[in-house]
Amino acid sequence: SQQGEEDPQALSIQEGENATMNCSYKTSINNLQWYRQNSGRGLVHLILIRSNEREKHSGRLRVTLDTSKKSSSLLITASRAADTASYFCATVWIQGAQKLVFGQGTRLTINP
Amino acid sequence: DGGITQSPKYLFRKEGQNVTLSCEQNLNHDAMYWYRQDPGQGLRLIYYSQIVNDFQKGDIAEGYSVSREKKESFPLTVTSAQKNPTAFYLCASSMAVQETQYFGPGTRLLVL
Repeated sequence: SQQGEEDPQALSIQEGENATMNCSYKTSINNLQWYRQNSGRGLVHLILIRSNEREKHSGRLRVTLDTSKKSSSLLITASRAADTASYFCATVWIQGAQKLVFGQGTRLTINP
Repeated sequence: DGGITQSPKYLFRKEGQNVTLSCEQNLNHDAMYWYRQDPGQGLRLIYYSQIVNDFQKGDIAEGYSVSREKKESFPLTVTSAQKNPTAFYLCASSMAVQETQYFGPGTRLLVL
């Protein structure tokens, strides 16, 4: 099935550095959402960006959306050890079934 | 406290046995979902329900069944027809299908 695809699959950086994760998708969307998952836990919603928006901020998080390229990026600034987690993008189709489709995720490791 | 709960945290299934995973929410959300997550992978949609007494198959519904008799509850039964049930199961809810999803803590199902 069609879904968002995150890139890279894994990312390891030093504490204090910025982390950037990318998401590409295949069809026109209603909105795109980013979620975080700590190991063995449920997902936590981070940001929802609608198709008519280009950028949103929430604390140290910055999300961009380029509908012409069918891509989004999540930037975490001044990373902390507690940011270590898997990050998923999810897209909502505007054609066909209205449902959220998750990518495979980026595993982010922040080294102290 | 408002939220979404899942029980049990761990569940063991014997060969040929049906088991039921519980999901309850008090967020007054119309939509509820069940996802399966295998190690190191993203989420795959099993079933979702947009409203009480209605539900639709997701991408991997074979071997699973659900019911939605109450707004607050969306139990998932893993039947004996599901030959590879070992996975982490996540339940979620949202106001509407295209909106932010709130996840429970998950149930890890293991086969004896």
